[in-house]
Amino acid sequence: GAVVSQHPSRVICKSGTSVKIECRSLDFQATTMFWYRQFPKQSLMLMATSNEGSKATYEQGVEKDKFLINHASLTLSTLTVTSAHPEDSSFYICSARSLSRTGSNEQFFGPGTRLTVL
Amino acid sequence: KNEVEQSPQNLTAQEGEFITINCSYSVGISALHWLQQHPGGGIVSLFMLSSGKKKHGRLIATINIQEKHSSLHITASHPRDSAVYICAVPNSGGGADGLTFGKGTHLIIQP
Repeated sequence: GAVVSQHPSRVICKSGTSVKIECRSLDFQATTMFWYRQFPKQSLMLMATSNEGSKATYEQGVEKDKFLINHASLTLSTLTVTSAHPEDSSFYICSARSLSRTGSNEQFFGPGTRLTVL
Repeated sequence: KNEVEQSPQNLTAQEGEFITINCSYSVGISALHWLQQHPGGGIVSLFMLSSGKKKHGRLIATINIQEKHSSLHITASHPRDSAVYICAVPNSGGGADGLTFGKGTHLIIQP
């Protein structure tokens, strides 16, 4: 149980295009999903917190108009990188907290999406 | 915001050795996470603990809340344990927070 999937696992796009990344909790409902990114040889960094049915909360320095987050249901959150540039190339990973385990702080991680912007 | 320090950054050991990785954080927390990241990038959650000690197979995690310190131990290490081990804590200490991650410990176990 507690499986989180991400799609796509890898994407290469041209500069200026938009890329959508999906994060799904497959066997549980997630009240909260988190989006992280990891640049090469750096640690994971929290980008935003996504709560179902409400606006995402972005960390300082993360542009909300560039990184659009939609948490439309208890099993799906999407991250859209708009007008992608080479500096957006990174490893994007989501995690989800389980509704049924409210009070538990455990987060379940997706496998990640490697974005390369040419 | 919580700050996380891990040591060592890199560790190379021989198969069978006992491994210890340390983690310190700055803000009191509800729970601490130990994660494993393989070269492809995928993250596996090893432990979440808020007090005392947890054991899973050859892995043991301990935490001292008063000292804001945790350790991850690997007994009878094996080459398949080679990976990056990451300590993570809630940003502001609370359980509903996203996580702040350490820089990771790159572990290599040689046969």
